[in-house]
Amino acid sequence: EAGVAQSPRYKIIEKRQSVAFWCNPISGHATLYWYQQILGQGPKLLIQFQNNGVVDDSQLPKDRFSAERLKGVDSTLKIQPAKLEDSAVYLCASSWDSNEQFFGPGTRLTVL
Amino acid sequence: AQSVTQLGSHVSVSEGALVLLRCNYSSSVPPYLFWYVQYPNQGLQLLLKYTSAATLVKGINGFEAEFKKSETSFHLTKPSAHMSDAAEYFCAVSDSGSYIPTFGRGTSLIVHP
Repeated sequence: EAGVAQSPRYKIIEKRQSVAFWCNPISGHATLYWYQQILGQGPKLLIQFQNNGVVDDSQLPKDRFSAERLKGVDSTLKIQPAKLEDSAVYLCASSWDSNEQFFGPGTRLTVL
Repeated sequence: AQSVTQLGSHVSVSEGALVLLRCNYSSSVPPYLFWYVQYPNQGLQLLLKYTSAATLVKGINGFEAEFKKSETSFHLTKPSAHMSDAAEYFCAVSDSGSYIPTFGRGTSLIVHP
């Protein structure tokens, strides 16, 4: 079966610019997660969706980050405006019924 | 709140030697515990998980881990390292019944020929 797809794989932007990441989960997986992985740290959960509804966004910096999952399949994560400290790998994961998570390859963001 | 501490940001072993990656957890409730592996430029892959059944858990690629409640530990081992095991390894913890983990900082495993 196809895994979790993410694009782009790499993105370089200047601070104060905006950026968007896209995730396509494994077919049939109702739950989708976005994580932020800063260099030298473990991934940190930003937001969890169940179908197209938000289950947990307590760690999402809502003044600059937003995410949506229209139609309960693909998801986009947006940062506007970006700050230097947003440089990280953004990982998307999906799971069937909130069980084992399957991770995508990530998008590496560099903010200059 | 749960947390994990991974001892050693880097572990270096020779090919064929024992691999031991240390993880201690803190949890106020019975935990689920996980080990993930991350190869360069790839996402995380679940190696194994403890979910309150057998305390010795066997995972993929010859890895295993033992849950020791008295020591609050969940160390990862492999009897004989292979070059292909070189990667970043993350220990993680969640509340029992939840598969949403809190990750440690990771340990980079380096395997020398």
